[in-house]
Amino acid sequence: EPEVTQTPSHQVTQMGQEVILRCVPISNHLYFYWYRQILGQKVEFLVSFYNNEISEKSEIFDDQFSVERPDGSNFTLKIRSTKLEDSAMYFCASIRDYTDTQYFGPGTRLTVL
Amino acid sequence: DAKTTQPNSMESNEEEPVHLPCNHSTISGTDYIHWYRQLPSQGPEYVIHGLTSNVNNRMASLAIAEDRKSSTLILHRATLRDAAVYYCILRDYNTDKLIFGTGTRLQVFP
Repeated sequence: EPEVTQTPSHQVTQMGQEVILRCVPISNHLYFYWYRQILGQKVEFLVSFYNNEISEKSEIFDDQFSVERPDGSNFTLKIRSTKLEDSAMYFCASIRDYTDTQYFGPGTRLTVL
Repeated sequence: DAKTTQPNSMESNEEEPVHLPCNHSTISGTDYIHWYRQLPSQGPEYVIHGLTSNVNNRMASLAIAEDRKSSTLILHRATLRDAAVYYCILRDYNTDKLIFGTGTRLQVFP
């Protein structure tokens, strides 16, 4: 069964450094998402992406965040200058059709020191 | 976004049925009721969804009240692998993002 994959599984970085989290959505999917989950808290929507542009973003997704689909398979989340409060699990998700259910990846644990 | 209310936690014994309730009294006509679960250290996983009628799939059943103000996720025979946080989410037909609440943490005992 096809699945969403994410790399790395764990990323440790120093505050102020840039990080790029990578996702490979399911191959025929067209809509892509990033969510995050701070330890012990709810899963929060960050951004949705379709047709090579952001379709919706939350208040969390400020100028420090960006997303990109650099080729036909990868979908990336970049945090330009990490803060301690960016430490969280980041989940990528994708769907084929707009009304489809979302398929989530296993997540990347980001630790900012 | 319409909100849902779920118990913080529930317990079950293995092989027994589990009924996970969800209240959504402010549900609108275009809201679908979705259930996802999150196993420990994993990403959320789709379980089931419905609009008005009860639904069954290989994982679970979804019973929706006639007025749609509540629903129940039914696991027919709980296994240890079903221990997870279960999220009841209302998703408007016109949006694709998911708004997660705190969910119900299900513990399953052998």
